Amino acid sequence: AQTVTQSQPEMSVQEAETVTLSCTYDTSENNYYLFWYKQPPSRQMILVIRQEAYKQQNATENRFSVNFQKAAKSFSLKISDSQLGDTAMYFCAFMKHGDNNDMRFGAGTRLTVKP
Amino acid sequence: GAVVSQHPSWVICKSGTSVKIECRSLDFQATTMFWYRQFPKQSLMLMATSNEGSKATYEQGVEKDKFLINHASLTLSTLTVTSAHPEDSSFYICSATGLAATYTGELFFGEGSRLTVL
Repeated sequence: AQTVTQSQPEMSVQEAETVTLSCTYDTSENNYYLFWYKQPPSRQMILVIRQEAYKQQNATENRFSVNFQKAAKSFSLKISDSQLGDTAMYFCAFMKHGDNNDMRFGAGTRLTVKP
Repeated sequence: GAVVSQHPSWVICKSGTSVKIECRSLDFQATTMFWYRQFPKQSLMLMATSNEGSKATYEQGVEKDKFLINHASLTLSTLTVTSAHPEDSSFYICSATGLAATYTGELFFGEGSRLTVL
């Protein structure tokens, strides 16, 4: 079974600064996807960034980038130039390729961006 | 991206009654839908997976007789909480994927439904 671990229950960052959220996972699979989702107070799940395991290049979406270390099974999220609107719960998630898109989530990290 | 809509967004019911939550894919055919439960300040826990036209597959510890899931069409799945009790109060989220998305790892989430059982 796949497990996803987020070891930082809460984090805070000053507006305009950079913050990194940690995520590790455990799997014996070689082909899979990793995700970071944002859940603001509205509770709507918003996809932040997605990484295919077969790609060595780290995914980037504007101010969001990941550091994907496949051998170490690590998938951290870096948020640059943090904005007040980035305040939310962030979930790291794992999906095995071809497994009916069954997604498993970490416990989440509550990020607060301070003005 | 594809749109998934849940209804109702919030519901309050009396203990012992049944509540139905709908999850609709608005612009694609959802071959598979997932139902999650989320307690306050906690993560999403997968309850069950449903494929169109088939019986749902429940996760260990989830009572299938309590949480009835129906996926009768390619655009609609329903979760019925039967004989609801206060401990069933939670936030329920559905997600859906289509045939094409199965190969790209895409999953589309509904807005969630907050159930409060008095």
